[in-house]
Amino acid sequence: DVKVTQSSRYLVKRTGEKVFLECVQDMDHENMFWYRQDPGLGLRLIYFSYDVKMKEKGDIPEGYSVSREKKERFSLILESASTNQTSMYLCASSRLGGNSDFGPGTRLTVT
Amino acid sequence: GESVGLHLPTLSVQEGDNSIINCAYSNSASDYFIWYKQESGKGPQFIIDIRSNMDKRQGQRVTVLLNKTVKHLSLQIAATQPGDSAVYFCAENSQTGNQFYFGTGTSLTVIP
Repeated sequence: DVKVTQSSRYLVKRTGEKVFLECVQDMDHENMFWYRQDPGLGLRLIYFSYDVKMKEKGDIPEGYSVSREKKERFSLILESASTNQTSMYLCASSRLGGNSDFGPGTRLTVT
Repeated sequence: GESVGLHLPTLSVQEGDNSIINCAYSNSASDYFIWYKQESGKGPQFIIDIRSNMDKRQGQRVTVLLNKTVKHLSLQIAATQPGDSAVYFCAENSQTGNQFYFGTGTSLTVIP
């Protein structure tokens, strides 16, 4: 089975801090995704990557950046965390044309 | 952009009854659809998928129906159990890329 792991389950950061969320998958999937999940809004795509060093903006990329230096790792960076970035962050990976497998999520609180 | 929506945000069923969760999608070019289950505090888990060349697919206690004419997707859960209580999402994949679009979810509560 695909295993997608995220570096933290819970994270508390202060406004203005730089935040790194790490995601690793072990099934050699080409695609990797970062979503945020908020009540009533469902999953919204922040960024995705279909290959090493490649990235595409999703629906809500503002305030975020990503890095994919290795195929198995996709990092989400909040350059200067703000309170409106308090959310559940979900990483996912997939093969081309396949279903997405999700990590357990990171609940980030920005105070 | 594309939209994927659910007809009912919440659903309560008696244990042992069948559950039906509905989903509407707007992009007629979408060719791949997935249902996910998300339990509290966990990430979404794949349940079942269907491609647009099919109108029905069955798994263990679950069936997905696809009606391309009205762009409607449904998930049927047979003999619903307390462990089925969760939020269920549908997702569609656009042929233009690898991006999935998710509905907001339906919360299923199973009453013992």
